[in-house]
Amino acid sequence: DTAVSQTPKYLVTQMGNDKSIKCEQNLGHDTMYWYKQDSKKFLKIMFSYNNKELIINETVPNRFSPKSPDKAHLNLHINSLELGDSAVYFCASSGVHYEQYFGPGTRLTVT
Amino acid sequence: AQSVAQPEDQVNVAEGNPLTVKCTYSVSGNPYLFWYVQYPNRGLQFLLKYITGDNLVKGSYGFEAEFNKSQTSFHLKKPSALVSDSALYFCAVSPYGNKLVFGAGTILRVKS
Repeated sequence: DTAVSQTPKYLVTQMGNDKSIKCEQNLGHDTMYWYKQDSKKFLKIMFSYNNKELIINETVPNRFSPKSPDKAHLNLHINSLELGDSAVYFCASSGVHYEQYFGPGTRLTVT
Repeated sequence: AQSVAQPEDQVNVAEGNPLTVKCTYSVSGNPYLFWYVQYPNRGLQFLLKYITGDNLVKGSYGFEAEFNKSQTSFHLKKPSALVSDSALYFCAVSPYGNKLVFGAGTILRVKS
C-alpha cells in the first residue's frame, strides 16, 4: 500500500490557469506538509497542517492555498499560475516520531 | 534562523570503499537531525534521524550518522559503498520537530 500518494504525477498547464494537486496519507499521521523542489533540487517548506489546522505558512504567494478536509488529506490549489511556479511539489506526513514520509511528487510545468 | 550546510555538491567513491557525506547545521536549541535520499524522479526516502541519545545513529541500507554537538555536524557514513547507493542525499534539521529545513543536497556517485 502506498503510504503517501499524490495526484497527478505530472501537470502541464498554461500561465494564468488554476490547478490543484491532491495528497493522501494512510499512515494515521496528524501532520501533513507541502514542499517545493526547484530546478536546482533545493527543497523548501510551504505549508504544514496539524489535524486540519494550519500551523506553518511560509512566505508563499497568496495564489497558493492549501486545504485539509480531514487529517488524511492535504490539497494544494494554485491560482493564476506563473512560469516561476514550475517545480516539483512534494507532500509529506509525520507522526509522533518526527520523521517525515514523502509522496512521489507532482511535476508542475507552466508554459 | 535555522540552516544546514552540505559543503560538497558531489562525492565520488569507488564501490566497496567507505563513504562520508558531510553536513553541518545551525539551530537554536536541541536539533532534530535527519538524512534523506532521493533517487531520480522519486520522492525522498527517510534514512535516519537523531533526536536524542547515542551520538552514533544507525539507519536504513547500512547507513549511519554521527552527531557531533561541538562541531555542529551530522555526517552520513557507510562502511562499504554500493553502486546502488548513487543518489542525491539531503541533510535536514527540524527546529521544533515539525518543519524540515534542508541542505542543498549532495550527489553521491559510486563507481564500480
